[in-house]
Amino acid sequence: EAQVTQNPRYLITVTGKKLTVTCSQNMNHEYMSWYRQDPGLGLRQIYYSMNVEVTDKGDVPEGYKVSRKEKRNFPLILESPSPNQTSLYFCASAPRGEAETQYFGPGTRLLVL
Amino acid sequence: DQQVKQNSPSLSVQEGRISILNCDYTNSMFDYFLWYKKYPAEGPTFLISISSIKDKNEDGRFTVFLNKSAKHLSLHIVPSQPGDSAVYFCAAKDNYGQNFVFGPGTRLSVLP
Repeated sequence: EAQVTQNPRYLITVTGKKLTVTCSQNMNHEYMSWYRQDPGLGLRQIYYSMNVEVTDKGDVPEGYKVSRKEKRNFPLILESPSPNQTSLYFCASAPRGEAETQYFGPGTRLLVL
Repeated sequence: DQQVKQNSPSLSVQEGRISILNCDYTNSMFDYFLWYKKYPAEGPTFLISISSIKDKNEDGRFTVFLNKSAKHLSLHIVPSQPGDSAVYFCAAKDNYGQNFVFGPGTRLSVLP
């Protein structure tokens, strides 16, 4: 089954404790992206990647890091999480040239205390 | 300041009637517009899109209209069905990159 998977789905952590949210897709997509969803703000793009070793900042990259060492994986790293990073995070992927039809993962709900 | 606005947080429509969801944008560099649909506990799914060179795009029950001079687009769902009840996000991107800007969403409830 074609899908985007995220792990973990739910995470409670404390301020300053480094964490990684993994994202994996099995559709051989070139494009991958991370978003956060907050009430009243919709989805905001954090980082995106057009292909392996190619990443670009979205609208809200501060406090986040990404890497794209393999085509299928696009982990989101929070080196020192803060409470304002409490949010619902979505990973997405799409074929080359079709980023608009991106397939979203089920989301990761993060609470930073 | 939000570049993509959806001023109606929620909308209720009777089954079988038309649903009209509105979206306004401020960035004149946007040239591609999209609508996504999101059910609870799931990720958004792509619904329909429109390029700035068109003023209408239709896909089954869904039609998107674009008014570039007014920087306004709308999604029409006809006829509305209870399964259409979801949050709808309007999104836009410019021609230079793959950075997508989303609106805050409109929650549509289709009443049986």
